[in-house]
Amino acid sequence: QSALTQPASVSGSPRQSITISCTGTSSDVGGYKFVSWYQQHPGKAPKLMIYEVSNRPSGVSNRFSGSKSGNTASLTISGLQAEDEADYYCSSYSSSTTVVFGGGTKLTVL
Amino acid sequence: QVQLQESGPGLVKPSETLSLTCTVSGGSISNYYWNWIRQPPGKGLEWIGYIYYNGRSKYNPSLKSRVTISVDTSNNQFSLKLSSVTAADTAVYYCARGSTGGPDWFDSWGQGTLVTVSS
Repeated sequence: QSALTQPASVSGSPRQSITISCTGTSSDVGGYKFVSWYQQHPGKAPKLMIYEVSNRPSGVSNRFSGSKSGNTASLTISGLQAEDEADYYCSSYSSSTTVVFGGGTKLTVL
Repeated sequence: QVQLQESGPGLVKPSETLSLTCTVSGGSISNYYWNWIRQPPGKGLEWIGYIYYNGRSKYNPSLKSRVTISVDTSNNQFSLKLSSVTAADTAVYYCARGSTGGPDWFDSWGQGTLVTVSS
């Protein structure tokens, strides 16, 4: 089972914007609207930040946004804040494995 | 707001069966897909499988031969059994709620429980 491909790390300065990519195939990201994003702080459980490609759950800041083009989904965080420093994981429905996660991206706020 | 709590042994011997239970409070177990997800130390997330409240289940093909997930609606609990464990099964195990339509996203998570496989 191949995980979705994410960059291992990204960084940005406060108030800047960053984008994390998540690349899959037509059997997962490209074929379905069920792409979601999770934020995980050290020692904590993941937290849902985006579902169905671009929807934000209640309580999640509108600084977080999601999109998809072809087989690649993206998470954009605008107006970076220190508390955004965390690991971020994408996930997608998959026709072969039902659910597949990305390998994770460590976001550093400089 | 729904809350999930994992429980079970933190240490399991190689070749034995790992057993965990997730207790759901603050909401009904009905109408949702309930999932187990694990994370080896320092690594990424891996979906193990789900069970629907009516007992229908589906598993990750890479673990399918060793996994059983069951549900107890009367006690608002669901459980995981993973047989023939090895050191590679050492991980933090999370239970998580999916949507009403499937394991499309996971909006509520337990705090996670570390299970170590060692003799």
